[in-house]
Amino acid sequence: DGGITQSPKYLFRKEGQNVTLSCEQNLNHDAMYWYRQDPGQGLRLIYYSQIVNDFQKGDIAEGYSVSREKKESFPLTVTSAQKNPTAFYLCASKGASGGGMPDTQYFGPGTRLTVL
Amino acid sequence: QQQVKQSPQSLIVQKGGISIINCAYENTAFDYFPWYQQFPGKGPALLIAIRPDVSEKKEGRFTISFNKSAKQFSLHIMDSQPGDSATYFCAASGRWGKLQFGAGTQVVVTP
Repeated sequence: DGGITQSPKYLFRKEGQNVTLSCEQNLNHDAMYWYRQDPGQGLRLIYYSQIVNDFQKGDIAEGYSVSREKKESFPLTVTSAQKNPTAFYLCASKGASGGGMPDTQYFGPGTRLTVL
Repeated sequence: QQQVKQSPQSLIVQKGGISIINCAYENTAFDYFPWYQQFPGKGPALLIAIRPDVSEKKEGRFTISFNKSAKQFSLHIMDSQPGDSATYFCAASGRWGKLQFGAGTQVVVTP
């Protein structure tokens, strides 16, 4: 059963703490992405990785860090430097969509992070 | 600044009616325009997508209309059903593959 898994589903953090969100895919996709979703703002790109051991900043990378040591895994760390981390975080990987269309992004179920 | 502008922010439609969501873009390098559907607490799922070499694409009750000269595209949901109640996002990307998303439209279909 192929797909993208994210854990945990809900995460609570105290101010000043770093937390790491997990993203795993067994779709054999090279590219993986992290997005942040806030109400009324759509999805904003945090980091992306086109290949193992390589990643680039997206539009809102400040206060976040990532690693890509394995093709299947792309964890996101929300650091204490992120001033407003409460949000819904979505991981995606990119693969074939069929029908002659370009590769497209497939999303995991998300992690809701709340800072107390 | 948002590279893809989406409207309306929300809409309410009766069962059996037509839902129409509009998006506009500026970057002429965009050549792939997907629509995603998202239910509360879930990740977005690809619904339908179009390339700029066609003006319309239909899949079941969902149709994308594309106007390249106006740099606009829209999603039509025909015979809307309560199960279509969700948030819909348009997106666009160019060759580099990074998707730019609209802000989303919350659709509510009343019985």
